[in-house]
Amino acid sequence: TAGITQAPTSQILAAGRSMTLRCTQDMRHNAMYWYRQDLGLGLRLIHYSNTAGTTGKGEVPDGYSVSRANTDDFPLTLASAVPSQTSVYFCASSDSAGDNNEQFFGPGTRLTVL
Amino acid sequence: GQNIDQPTEMTATEGAIVQINCTYQTSGFNGLFWYQQHAGEAPTFLSYNVLDGLEEKGRFSSFLSRSKGYSYLLLKELQMKDSASYLCAVMDSNYQLIWGAGTKLIIKP
Repeated sequence: TAGITQAPTSQILAAGRSMTLRCTQDMRHNAMYWYRQDLGLGLRLIHYSNTAGTTGKGEVPDGYSVSRANTDDFPLTLASAVPSQTSVYFCASSDSAGDNNEQFFGPGTRLTVL
Repeated sequence: GQNIDQPTEMTATEGAIVQINCTYQTSGFNGLFWYQQHAGEAPTFLSYNVLDGLEEKGRFSSFLSRSKGYSYLLLKELQMKDSASYLCAVMDSNYQLIWGAGTKLIIKP
C-alpha cells in the first residue's frame, strides 16, 4: 500500500508563477490536510477537507487554494507564488476529523520561490 | 491565543532516559499527540493522550495533565536511531491540530 504520496518532491519556482502540489492517498480516509513547515515554527495548517466535496481554511490560507473532487486527491494550488511561500509542504490524511484519529503524512514537497 | 511550548533542543546519551516536556494553552482540548520526525522526513505518529495519566508503548511513554496544560514524552533505553525531532500537538475545540515547533533530540554514544 502506497499510503499517501506527494508530487513533486522538490521544486524551484519563479515568483509570480503558479503551481499545483499534488497529494493522493489510497487509504480511503475522509479527512485531508495541507501544512507548511518552516524552521523554528510548528506545522501550520493551510487548508483542510473533512470529506470529499468540502474544504475549509486553516491558520495560513492566504495565497493558497484547494479542491477535493474525490476522496483520494487533494491538490494545493499557489496562484501567484511569492518568496514567503518557500517552505516544506506536507499533505496528511486521517480516517475522520475526530479526536483520536492520527494523521498520516506524505513525504513532503520542498518548494523554493525565487 | 493558542500556544504550544517545548524545548528547542535536548541532548542525551545512548542507553539513558530522556523526558521531553510540552506545555499548552489552547481554545478547547480534544487530545494531545506526539509525533517523531527524522530530518528530511515526514512526521510519524507516536502517541495520543486524552485522559490524565501515563500511556506506555514499549520504550516510549506519554503523560498528560489537563489541569496543568502539560504533557511529557519519556524515552527509555535510548538508541542512536531515536535522534530526531519530537513534535507535540494539541487538538483544539475545532478538531484542528495546533503544533509545537518541535524538540530536536541529539543522542550521543
